[in-house]
Amino acid sequence: DTAVSQTPKYLVTQMGNDKSIKCEQNLGHDTMYWYKQDSKKFLKIMFSYNNKELIINETVPNRFSPKSPDKAHLNLHINSLELGDSAVYFCASSQDMGAGGQHETQYFGPGTRLLVL
Amino acid sequence: GQNIDQPTEMTATEGAIVQINCTYQTSGFNGLFWYQQHAGEAPTFLSYNVLDGLEEKGRFSSFLSRSKGYSYLLLKELQMKDSASYLCAVRGPGGYQKVTFGTGTKLQVIP
Repeated sequence: DTAVSQTPKYLVTQMGNDKSIKCEQNLGHDTMYWYKQDSKKFLKIMFSYNNKELIINETVPNRFSPKSPDKAHLNLHINSLELGDSAVYFCASSQDMGAGGQHETQYFGPGTRLLVL
Repeated sequence: GQNIDQPTEMTATEGAIVQINCTYQTSGFNGLFWYQQHAGEAPTFLSYNVLDGLEEKGRFSSFLSRSKGYSYLLLKELQMKDSASYLCAVRGPGGYQKVTFGTGTKLQVIP
């Protein structure tokens, strides 16, 4: 009965490859997020979707492309991987981003540890 | 934009009380969250403040002063399992606004 799940948990790949990370939530939430946490543990938002619609798109290289086939899923595809992409990527969901208050409490997936060689 | 400051590291003794401070400068404010993140794990929600004052939840309490741009997380009766990073996060004003996370305070609880 995992609330927010991500696959894979670990991803080791060569520079220049293309890879995808999948995220699913079974909480019935409307909003999903992708965060990148670097080696200094700084958690930075990349994208947010509300009901399959892109709401937040931070300054992220266009090699990163999110896709939300339905509101329970938010996948992240990365083209032409670079060394600097090595990090932990967290997916999260919240009840409703626009509602404010505790509706925006975020529930995080276990993270995907990406290492680019 | 939003700027959030927290101490990088703190050490405290098992059974003691520790206060982790967070100051923020934002162009608008609509709530502050505290999350706990154990090493190698995902952040988990601890508390939410939007009005001034103290919110208590068991051993953990969180305080907010909007006029001072200041919050703290108070942990009482520290246990070894409280060793973790504590992330302060601020939500901007308006409809769809992102939550900006601070860099976190790594707390080590020692016997």
